[in-house]
Amino acid sequence: EPEVTQTPSHQVTQMGQEVILRCVPISNHLYFYWYRQILGQKVEFLVSFYNNEISEKSEIFDDQFSVERPDGSNFTLKIRSTKLEDSAMYFCASTTGRQGEIQYFGAGTRLSVL
Amino acid sequence: AQRVTQPEKLLSVFKGAPVELKCNYSYSGSPELFWYVQYSRQRLQLLLRHISRESIKGFTADLNKGETSFHLKKPFAQEEDSAMYYCALSQGSNDYKLSFGAGTTVTVRA
Repeated sequence: EPEVTQTPSHQVTQMGQEVILRCVPISNHLYFYWYRQILGQKVEFLVSFYNNEISEKSEIFDDQFSVERPDGSNFTLKIRSTKLEDSAMYFCASTTGRQGEIQYFGAGTRLSVL
Repeated sequence: AQRVTQPEKLLSVFKGAPVELKCNYSYSGSPELFWYVQYSRQRLQLLLRHISRESIKGFTADLNKGETSFHLKKPFAQEEDSAMYYCALSQGSNDYKLSFGAGTTVTVRA
């Protein structure tokens, strides 16, 4: 069964550094998402991406965040200058966008900002 | 704005006992409701959704629009049901982002 793949599984970085989290959505999917989950809190929507542009973003998704689909397969989330509070589990998800289709989630990347 | 509430953070039941996870939502339109499950060390995966009205792994959930609820139920819990359960809502019709509840950790004891 096709899966959403995320790399790396764990990323440790120093505060102020840039990080790029990578996702390979399922190949025929058209809508892509990033969510995050701070330890002990709920899964929160960050951004949705369709047709090579952001379709919606949450308040969390400020200027420090950006997303890109640099080629036909990867979907990346960049955090320009990480803060301690960016430490969280980041999940990528994708869907076809057809009526009734569900979102499939990656296993997540645990980001630890020191 | 939509909101999903799961009032129970933790739920502990004995094997063979019924289990019910509560979920309430607030949204002015016609949402799509889902239950996602996360077993230990595994990814989030869909358990069931209201539009399919099916039973998965013995779980059922009925959308009650009057009470704005989508409670998850299973008559006889099994040890393998121990997991984190998330209720989620999407607005549907070209807006598929999910709003999640805080999640309920279910522990089924032998």
